[in-house]
Amino acid sequence: GAGVSQSPRYKVAKRGQDVALRCDPISGHVSLFWYQQALGQGPEFLTYFQNEAQLDKSGLPSDRFFAERPEGSVSTLKIQRTQQEDSAVYLCASSRGQGAFVEAFFGQGTRLTVV
Amino acid sequence: SQQGEEDPQALSIQEGENATMNCSYKTSINNLQWYRQNSGRGLVHLILIRSNEREKHSGRLRVTLDTSKKSSSLLITASRAADTASYFCATQGTGGFKTIFGAGTRLFVKA
Repeated sequence: GAGVSQSPRYKVAKRGQDVALRCDPISGHVSLFWYQQALGQGPEFLTYFQNEAQLDKSGLPSDRFFAERPEGSVSTLKIQRTQQEDSAVYLCASSRGQGAFVEAFFGQGTRLTVV
Repeated sequence: SQQGEEDPQALSIQEGENATMNCSYKTSINNLQWYRQNSGRGLVHLILIRSNEREKHSGRLRVTLDTSKKSSSLLITASRAADTASYFCATQGTGGFKTIFGAGTRLFVKA
C-alpha cells in the first residue's frame, strides 16, 4: 500500500482481555516505531524495530505489553490482560532510515477502549 | 516523561494572521521535528531541523532552533482555516532511537 496501515481502527476490549494490534509499514522501510497517545497528549514512545530486531523497548509500560516484527515487515503489538489505563490510540510509524527518525510516516492508529 | 513542552497549549487566530508556536526540550538532540495532527489525516511530518542548523523554511513554515536555550519555534505565515490542527515538536536525542513528542499546541484558525 501507499502508506502505513493499522488494523483494527477501533477496538473495544473488556478488562482482562488480550488484544493484538497490527501494523503494515510502508514496503521497504527499515525502521518501525510504536507510540501510545492518550487523549489530549502527545504520542509516547513504546518501542523501536530495525528490520526484525527490537532495538529499544524502553517505553513499554509493563510486561503486559509485547511487540514483534518477525520478518522485518508487519509488526504486532500485543497487550495482555488489558486494564482501563491502556485505553489510548496506538500509533505505528515507519521510516526508511536506520535509527534516525527522519520523516517518519504514521498510520491512522488503533483506538483501544478498555471497558 | 515527555521531553518536549509546547507553548502555548492553545492558540486561536484569524485567517491570514501568523501563528507562532514554541517548543522547549531538556537534553542534547540530533534533530527536532514538527508534526501536525488532525482527525482527518493523522500525524503528518512537516519539517526537520538538525542540531547544527539554526533556521529552516518550507513553504509557509519557518522553524528556528536555539540549542543553547534548548528551544525551537514554528512560524506559520498567512494562516488558513485548513491549518487548524494540533502541532507537536519531536526530538531525537543523541543516545538512541527514542523520539520524544511534546504535548502539542492546538491551533484554531477562524475563517
